[in-house]
Amino acid sequence: AQSVTQLGSHVSVSEGALVLLRCNYSSSVPPYLFWYVQYPNQGLQLLLKYTSAATLVKGINGFEAEFKKSETSFHLTKPSAHMSDAAEYFCAVILSGSARQLTFGSGTQLTVLP
Amino acid sequence: DGGITQSPKYLFRKEGQNVTLSCEQNLNHDAMYWYRQDPGQGLRLIYYSQIVNDFQKGDIAEGYSVSREKKESFPLTVTSAQKNPTAFYLCATSTGRGFGQPQHFGDGTRLSIL
Repeated sequence: AQSVTQLGSHVSVSEGALVLLRCNYSSSVPPYLFWYVQYPNQGLQLLLKYTSAATLVKGINGFEAEFKKSETSFHLTKPSAHMSDAAEYFCAVILSGSARQLTFGSGTQLTVLP
Repeated sequence: DGGITQSPKYLFRKEGQNVTLSCEQNLNHDAMYWYRQDPGQGLRLIYYSQIVNDFQKGDIAEGYSVSREKKESFPLTVTSAQKNPTAFYLCATSTGRGFGQPQHFGDGTRLSIL
């Protein structure tokens, strides 16, 4: 079945360290890919999206993601973590034939240590 | 302000009771969605509507019902048939035009059982 997998339900980094959150999708056709962030008791906010225009996508708050077709990956990175980055992050895809429905990964909780 | 308004923010349900969650948008988006969020499971699609007076079941529609009588509104009813309704419910919208458009989310309603 076509799906999206986020490796690591919890990730901890020190403030100022690199943030790397992993996302892999399973699809024979490159899908549309998104990263969302969720703060406690709030909805999801779009960080960035990949729609085949460029493999390196820059988003808000200093985040970026690189689409790698050979690895079927779309990992999210930020060079230097800030305390305010602590939140849950979701990778999501719109797969071919899905009638524009988003399929979400199970999420990664990011903790930033002082 | 343009946006998605979900109400109430917190809701309590008694045994055997139906409750309705409100979702209103002024983004002029055609498509609207309801998701259920449980810890560690990401978001799961309950129902979606791509046009007024039309809607489709998502992955977990049992025990839920919706209506789409107006473009701006997509209320979700959690019926007594839903035996485990405690969750965080999120409403989302998208333009519905073209493929690969992101979804925009409201701030959610947290439903609990009394």
